[in-house]
Amino acid sequence: AQSVTQLDSQVPVFEEAPVELRCNYSSSVSVYLFWYVQYPNQGLQLLLKYLSGSTLVESINGFEAEFNKSQTSFHLRKPSVHISDTAEYFCAVSESSGGSYIPTFGRGTSLIVHP
Amino acid sequence: ETGVTQTPRHLVMGMTNKKSLKCEQHLGHNAMYWYKQSAKKPLELMFVYNFKEQTENNSVPSRFSPECPNSSHLFLHLHTLQPEDSALYLCASSQEATGQNTEAFFGQGTRLTVV
Repeated sequence: AQSVTQLDSQVPVFEEAPVELRCNYSSSVSVYLFWYVQYPNQGLQLLLKYLSGSTLVESINGFEAEFNKSQTSFHLRKPSVHISDTAEYFCAVSESSGGSYIPTFGRGTSLIVHP
Repeated sequence: ETGVTQTPRHLVMGMTNKKSLKCEQHLGHNAMYWYKQSAKKPLELMFVYNFKEQTENNSVPSRFSPECPNSSHLFLHLHTLQPEDSALYLCASSQEATGQNTEAFFGQGTRLTVV
């Protein structure tokens, strides 16, 4: 069975500093990986996804994540954060084997960007 | 705007009340989901409908009753809830639940408070 671990419940950073939000997963088969962002009083929005191909995936607002199969990780990074990046970030994994492909979510990491 | 609309956005109900949450998507998707989001806990998958058929029921108490009359609409009927059922209830949809296209689109959620 798949599971997702987000090691940090809260990550405070200053504006324009780099940030990394960690995500590790456990699965016995190949996986699809997702990062979602949730702004206050909103639902979750897809930030980026890895399905196959290049292990480095990017979002339109400067985030990137790298799929590392040997370390079973999919960490999210941004070289310079903005105040507006303050939100809750969820890592999710779905297994690409028979049966359902419903994503399993981590507990979330609260990114807090200070001026 | 993700194309998934939930109503109401906020709901306060007594433990003896009966209410329903509504979700509607205009994305042409065939899978719809209910998730429960409680503070500092992972998203809990409650129900999955794929092509109007319920395919997942994650040991959800019978006081929660889903209904999917067509691929565009999903309801969650509530009765005799408990205070611990207070949470953000998120609806999501995806192209399907059994293939690669499991990228989920979320509604803004219904904030439910049981008093």
